[in-house]
Amino acid sequence: GAVVSQHPSRVICKSGTSVKIECRSLDFQATTMFWYRQFPKQSLMLMATSNEGSKATYEQGVEKDKFLINHASLTLSTLTVTSAHPEDSSFYICSASRRGFYEQYFGPGTRLTVT
Amino acid sequence: GQQLNQSPQSMFIQEGEDVSMNCTSSSIFNTWLWYKQDPGEGPVLLIALYKAGELTSNGRLTAQFGITRKDSFLNISASIPSDVGIYFCAGQPNTGNQFYFGTGTSLTVIP
Repeated sequence: GAVVSQHPSRVICKSGTSVKIECRSLDFQATTMFWYRQFPKQSLMLMATSNEGSKATYEQGVEKDKFLINHASLTLSTLTVTSAHPEDSSFYICSASRRGFYEQYFGPGTRLTVT
Repeated sequence: GQQLNQSPQSMFIQEGEDVSMNCTSSSIFNTWLWYKQDPGEGPVLLIALYKAGELTSNGRLTAQFGITRKDSFLNISASIPSDVGIYFCAGQPNTGNQFYFGTGTSLTVIP
């Protein structure tokens, strides 16, 4: 149990375009989903926390208009990188947790490359 | 966001040896999680700790929640080649349900 998927696993896009990444909890209802960003050989940096049906809470320094997060259902959250630039190239990972539980279960990540 | 310091940053050990790593913070945390990440993949949960002083095992792994609530420790006994990877601690502060990750410990096991 507690399987989280992400799609796509890899995406290459041109500068100025937008990219949507999906995060799904496959066998449980995720009342909270989290989005992280990870640069090579570095730790995971929390970008935002998303509770189902409400607006995401963004960490300091993360532009909410650039990184649009939607958590419309208990099994799906999406991250849209708008007007992507090369510096947005990174590994984006989502995680999900169930109501009343602290543990977070991670997706396999999405490698974004902006050319 | 907050960041937790892990040490050592990297370890090179012989197969069969025991491994110890720790995670420290200037803030108090309510919950500690330990994860292992393989290259190009998402982290996998190893152990969860919920109260100060708690000692929890998962196979060859043992983790402890420090009594000051500002640190946690992970031990791996009798290491094997598949233990290779990066180990991250994650702490949950008093406010909110988010976790903040440590800087990571890279483990290399030499057969």
